[in-house]
Amino acid sequence: ILNVEQSPQSLHVQEGDSTNFTCSFPSSNFYALHWYRWETAKSPEALFVMTLNGDEKKKGRISATLNTKEGYSYLYIKGSQPEDSATYLCAFSSNDYKLSFGAGTTVTVRA
Amino acid sequence: EAGVAQSPRYKIIEKRQSVAFWCNPISGHATLYWYQQILGQGPKLLIQFQNNGVVDDSQLPKDRFSAERLKGVDSTLKIQPAKLEDSAVYLCASSFKVPTDTQYFGPGTRLTVL
Repeated sequence: ILNVEQSPQSLHVQEGDSTNFTCSFPSSNFYALHWYRWETAKSPEALFVMTLNGDEKKKGRISATLNTKEGYSYLYIKGSQPEDSATYLCAFSSNDYKLSFGAGTTVTVRA
Repeated sequence: EAGVAQSPRYKIIEKRQSVAFWCNPISGHATLYWYQQILGQGPKLLIQFQNNGVVDDSQLPKDRFSAERLKGVDSTLKIQPAKLEDSAVYLCASSFKVPTDTQYFGPGTRLTVL
């Protein structure tokens, strides 16, 4: 079981503000880093899969960066909206392709 | 395209009772996963199937948990007998072919053991 840490555990954001949070993972035997968004009572939704150091991915107002050498990824939300309220999970996979998940960052956007 | 289906969505049982969860993956997806997510923790893989064969069940508590995927399509996860610490969300996921493909998740079953 690989140690994947996410911080902060939770955060509150005012509507319209931007925010970001971190996923830390082992820097050895890296294969891929996944981000999922999990809204209450819904299925976790895949946001990004990143495999290369320096990768940047973007989907609407959400973007992510990857640093495999130091073992971290940032997820950014620009101009937060109430529909961005969710738990954001990151998952690391090494050469065996199994996913090790962090505990998530729960984002609450206040109108 | 229909997503991963799971039932029931919620279940409350007494300790020492039995419970079963059902999952129907996305059509054509060969790989199926069961995860356990305890409150405050990330999802933990319990078992992975490739078609109807078990690829990894190293974290499945085999004294009380069992899972099957007959005919390589839908799957059932059973707990018998349940303990208080089994209270969790049980997530099913599937991927098209190999484990490197994106995993698609169902909505989960929230189990409460009293």
